[in-house]
Amino acid sequence: AQSVSQHNHHVILSEAASLELGCNYSYGGTVNLFWYVQYPGQHLQLLLKYFSGDPLVKGIKGFEAEFIKSKFSFNLRKPSVQWSDTAEYFCAVNDGTDAGGTSYGKLTFGQGTILTVHP
Amino acid sequence: DSGVTQTPKHLITATGQRVTLRCSPRSGDLSVYWYQQSLDQGLQFLIQYYNGEERAKGNILERFSAQQFPDLHSELNLSSLELGDSALYFCASSPRLGSYNEQFFGPGTRLTVL
Repeated sequence: AQSVSQHNHHVILSEAASLELGCNYSYGGTVNLFWYVQYPGQHLQLLLKYFSGDPLVKGIKGFEAEFIKSKFSFNLRKPSVQWSDTAEYFCAVNDGTDAGGTSYGKLTFGQGTILTVHP
Repeated sequence: DSGVTQTPKHLITATGQRVTLRCSPRSGDLSVYWYQQSLDQGLQFLIQYYNGEERAKGNILERFSAQQFPDLHSELNLSSLELGDSALYFCASSPRLGSYNEQFFGPGTRLTVL
């Protein structure tokens, strides 16, 4: 079974600080990887995704993530955070099978990291 | 706005009761997923439907059931409710079956069981 671990439960930063949120997954096969963000009172939104190819993935709002297969990691980064980045961030995986596989795309989520950015 | 709608937004009920949560996927999306978000369990996959058929099951209790109707909206039925069922229930939709599709999430239904 897949599992996802996010190392930090709550991260507090000042504006303009750099951000790195850790995500490790446990799964022996091919995976697809996602970062979702949940702003206060809003629905989950996709920040970025990795299916294959360049392991450095760029997403919306200046976020990027790097897939390191040997470390089973997919850490989220942003060089300079803003107050508006205050939100909860979720790492998620599904197994990289196609429509003929048995996973059908269901996501396994990490516990989430709450990011608070002080102005 | 993701295009996925969920009703009601909030639901307060008592233990032992039964409730129905409704989800309308984005226009054209055939696949619907249900997730439960609670403080102790985090975000967990419950069940998935594709074009009216159940396709995958996660940690869904026997007291819970779901269906997807011909117009593709889905309902999650929760019965014999317990205090521990209090959670945020999300619906997500994607265009097709399989892992290479982005899931678009609805705003969620917050269920409080008293």
